[in-house]
Amino acid sequence: AQSVAQPEDQVNVAEGNPLTVKCTYSVSGNPYLFWYVQYPNRGLQFLLKYITGDNLVKGSYGFEAEFNKSQTSFHLKKPSALVSDSALYFCAVRDSDQAGTALIFGKGTTLSVSS
Amino acid sequence: NAGVTQTPKFQVLKTGQSMTLQCAQDMNHEYMSWYRQDPGMGLRLIHYSVGAGITDQGEVPNGYNVSRSTTEDFPLRLLSAAPSQTSVYFCASRPTRDSYEQYFGPGTRLTVT
Repeated sequence: AQSVAQPEDQVNVAEGNPLTVKCTYSVSGNPYLFWYVQYPNRGLQFLLKYITGDNLVKGSYGFEAEFNKSQTSFHLKKPSALVSDSALYFCAVRDSDQAGTALIFGKGTTLSVSS
Repeated sequence: NAGVTQTPKFQVLKTGQSMTLQCAQDMNHEYMSWYRQDPGMGLRLIHYSVGAGITDQGEVPNGYNVSRSTTEDFPLRLLSAAPSQTSVYFCASRPTRDSYEQYFGPGTRLTVT
């Protein structure tokens, strides 16, 4: 069975500092991994994905994520946080070996960036 | 393209009432799905469809029905609303069952009293 864990309910960081939002996953086959962001009272917006290839993937708004197969992790990172990055972030996974499977989401991590 | 649209945006129901949450997409996507979002629970899959006429259950299907008579529409029916169904409901679509990126609607906030 697929699963995603986001071990931190909330991450607090000062503006200008680097940020990391953690995600670990479990799938039986090869993973397709995703990060989505949700601003208050809005739907989810796609940030980035890992399908295959380079372990470091770049996405929207200056975010990037590092895929680590041995640690089954896909942490979201940004070198310099902005106050406008404050939002709810979701990690999600699909098992590439099971065609048509649904996207499974973690519980979400609230990122709070202070000025 | 309007993308994925959902109506209504807000709804209040009394226990035992029924209603349908509407979802439509104009991107000719084959795959559509419904999620509910609850605090501390993330998004949980209710039902999904890999194409017109084909639906299947997700993680939390009880109390909900779906149908997919057209590619564009994927309504979610609450048969007899319960307070436990108070949640924010999101519809999503992607081009095919094997596509990567999924597109989400703006959500419907449902309160059952």
